[in-house]
Amino acid sequence: ILNVEQSPQSLHVQEGDSTNFTCSFPSSNFYALHWYRWETAKSPEALFVMTLNGDEKKKGRISATLNTKEGYSYLYIKGSQPEDSATYLCALNYNTDKLIFGTGTRLQVFP
Amino acid sequence: NAGVTQTPKFRILKIGQSMTLQCAQDMNHNYMYWYRQDPGMGLKLIYYSVGAGITDKGEVPNGYNVSRSTTEDFPLRLELAAPSQTSVYFCATGTPEAFFGQGTRLTVV
Repeated sequence: ILNVEQSPQSLHVQEGDSTNFTCSFPSSNFYALHWYRWETAKSPEALFVMTLNGDEKKKGRISATLNTKEGYSYLYIKGSQPEDSATYLCALNYNTDKLIFGTGTRLQVFP
Repeated sequence: NAGVTQTPKFRILKIGQSMTLQCAQDMNHNYMYWYRQDPGMGLKLIYYSVGAGITDKGEVPNGYNVSRSTTEDFPLRLELAAPSQTSVYFCATGTPEAFFGQGTRLTVV
């Protein structure tokens, strides 16, 4: 059973605060790690896909890092805005073709 | 270019009824997935397919069946609906990045 764990489960921050979430996973047979943003009543949308140990990706105020040796990835949001409020999902491909999701971190940014 | 299209958007079923959730994609992707959204549990993989004629079980396949006769279509079948299958179902396609449909909200009463 592939176990993808995310923490914290939920997070409430003030506008302008910076925040980060963690995705933990078994490091054996790793192929790719994904971060998705999921707004209420919408479909998940891909933020990043990372495959190499040490990968860092950035999109605007959001960035992510990957450590495949120790089995974790961080997602950072700099200067959070109310429109960043969403659930952030981590997902993994292993050496099979499955795409397994974590339970998500629900972020609420208050003005 | 519609991307990933799921039908229906909403459905209410009675216990024991059957139905098929449709998923169609025009992105020419080989990989397709079915997920269900359970509160506090994120997305759980039901079945997936790596190409026409090839399907495999995910994390929670019991009570469901799939087929993949064409690259475009990946229907999900519920044979005997149970209240535990009340959920929002998402179809996705592509690898490594997955593109999601808009979801089907199913209630079994």
